[in-house]
Amino acid sequence: DARVTQTPRHKVTEMGQEVTMRCQPILGHNTVFWYRQTMMQGLELLAYFRNRAPLDDSGMPKDRFSAEMPDATLATLKIQPSEPRDSAVYFCASGLVLAGGSIGGYTFGSGTRLTVV
Amino acid sequence: EDKVVQSPLSLVVHEGDTVTLNCSYEVTNFRSLLWYKQEKKAPTFLFMLTSSGIEKKSGRLSSILDKKELSSILNITATQTGDSAIYLCAVEEGNQGGKLIFGQGTELSVKP
Repeated sequence: DARVTQTPRHKVTEMGQEVTMRCQPILGHNTVFWYRQTMMQGLELLAYFRNRAPLDDSGMPKDRFSAEMPDATLATLKIQPSEPRDSAVYFCASGLVLAGGSIGGYTFGSGTRLTVV
Repeated sequence: EDKVVQSPLSLVVHEGDTVTLNCSYEVTNFRSLLWYKQEKKAPTFLFMLTSSGIEKKSGRLSSILDKKELSSILNITATQTGDSAIYLCAVEEGNQGGKLIFGQGTELSVKP
């Protein structure tokens, strides 16, 4: 089965350090999402890309978060500097979207569990 | 502001019971509604609904969309302990194509 691959699975870091999370979307998918999940807020959309171009990153704290897709097989989410309130599970999801909408829904990666101490 | 609301937020039932989970939405440009099941890890895809009144079914799970009422239900019959999970509803918004807006989820616990 095709799957979305996220690395690392777990990350513990000290406050102030840079954190980089990576996502390899399913081959052929043209849309990539980054979500953050916490108990309090549920799944929050941080940013998403279509054909590697950013469509919406309004959910991200701009001063510390950045998201990029350097190529079609890699999406990155960086936090610099990290803060304890960034502790959460970060999910990447990918899907194929054509003019009428997504084809077959979106597939999520296993997530990166980030703990900032 | 676009939003998706699920109810109930949590539910405890016994094996064999039938449950109905609700999802309502206010989205300016609706494209589709999706249901996901989340156990310990990533959400896994269950259903995608685009047309009103057409039931989608997979084993003991079924779902239907009502575009007039801006809502959807997810039914699980003859529940099993393995159905215990968080069930997430998401609406695909169409202004920019494909943006997914999630509800808070319904946490279902099935007791033996």
